[in-house]
Amino acid sequence: QVQLVQSGAEVKKPGSSVKVSCKASGGTFSSYAISWVRQAPGQGLEWMGGIIPIFGTANYAQKFQGRVTITADESTSTAYMELSSLRSEDTAVYYCARDRRYYDSSGSVVDAFDIWGQGTMVTVSS
Amino acid sequence: DIQMTQSPSSLSASVGDRVTITCQASQDISNYLNWYQQKPGKAPKLLIYDASNLETGVPSRFSGSGSGTDFTFTISSLQPEDIATYYCQQYDNLPGATFGGGTKVEIK
Repeated sequence: QVQLVQSGAEVKKPGSSVKVSCKASGGTFSSYAISWVRQAPGQGLEWMGGIIPIFGTANYAQKFQGRVTITADESTSTAYMELSSLRSEDTAVYYCARDRRYYDSSGSVVDAFDIWGQGTMVTVSS
Repeated sequence: DIQMTQSPSSLSASVGDRVTITCQASQDISNYLNWYQQKPGKAPKLLIYDASNLETGVPSRFSGSGSGTDFTFTISSLQPEDIATYYCQQYDNLPGATFGGGTKVEIK
């Protein structure tokens, strides 16, 4: 069974960058998309972007365009999310999630975040 | 952008009660909707995918229905371990995704 293990908590200064890793173990990595979802303290879930490692191209939510970079290293089965120009509002738990996507018998897409990392707390504070 | 409106934002019910949460999309999303459970300090867990399909290993007291813009999530008999926040999520505009605001379920 695939597991996603994320890097540890980070404390960053405003204006700096943070890079969070997400390592997959126990199964196929490259053929699934990996998405990043964040959750500010006491708030809901927010999709930031995702990548399909085998293709290498990432897609980003408009809100984070220009500030987030998502990459993947197939050789180590690890995905990365780098967020730059950090501000206090970026204080949140950042999750990676496997994006299980397939097409059913009628040709309709079925997509869900079925496996999640444990989350990485990023605190932005001066 | 597709907006997802969940209601109520919180509810309190007794063990054994039937609990219903609704999720409304700002536009037709067919059946491209999932439901997640999140317990405090934990990552979300997929419960229902494609509006009405129960994820493997999830108890049958959880169910989902709906299509188009209106969706319902039901716990047929609330158990103490169901205390959590529940989120709907649409995937009509892949590769993007949007979550509802969440519904916090507590025991009365």
